[in-house]
Amino acid sequence: ETGVTQSPTHLIKTRGQQVTLRCSSQSGHNTVSWYQQALGQGPQFIFQYYREEENGRGNFPPRFSGLQFPNYSSELNVNALELDDSALYLCASMGSSYEQYFGPGTRLTVT
Amino acid sequence: EDQVTQSPEALRLQEGESSSLNCSYTVSGLRGLFWYRQDPGKGPEFLFTLYSAGEEKEKERLKATLTKKESFLHITAPKPEDSATYLCAVAGTGGSYIPTFGRGTSLIVHP
Repeated sequence: ETGVTQSPTHLIKTRGQQVTLRCSSQSGHNTVSWYQQALGQGPQFIFQYYREEENGRGNFPPRFSGLQFPNYSSELNVNALELDDSALYLCASMGSSYEQYFGPGTRLTVT
Repeated sequence: EDQVTQSPEALRLQEGESSSLNCSYTVSGLRGLFWYRQDPGKGPEFLFTLYSAGEEKEKERLKATLTKKESFLHITAPKPEDSATYLCAVAGTGGSYIPTFGRGTSLIVHP
């Protein structure tokens, strides 16, 4: 069984630029969530997708958007990057008992 | 709004010195309480799900317990490899299965 994978591992962007992060869900999981984790904080929920439809959204502005594809892989897009967007971005697929299986994360640095 | 508070923020133990981490929660109907382990710079690793008060789960040196207001993660005779941040999350019955995470407890076990 393949686990959750994310790409890229690290990314450096300039303020105002746009970024796309990618995630492949664990095999058989049709629900994926994205989280932002700042240093020393717990993961903050961005949004969740279930069978290609947005299923819930946290307190993040519209410049954070996402997609889920028919194979249940997913993208997180962030427009007009700000310095505070620097964080570890985590993708998680949901198991049958609502537990989350996380990928290794993408470390985004905005300069 | 679901809330999770973890204590202590940081804990230093000597190898073999047992202790407990606390997770206090407020939720309108509990779907599940989750414990994760997170190593620095990596995604959280799922440990346990607890569903109802009185439930207990064990894995190696870890034992998780649940009451109506809090959960404990007991660590028996810890080893240095148990050093990590331990995250607690809850999912309530309102709407989607979206967990709310605490800020975590950073555990360091000295040899």
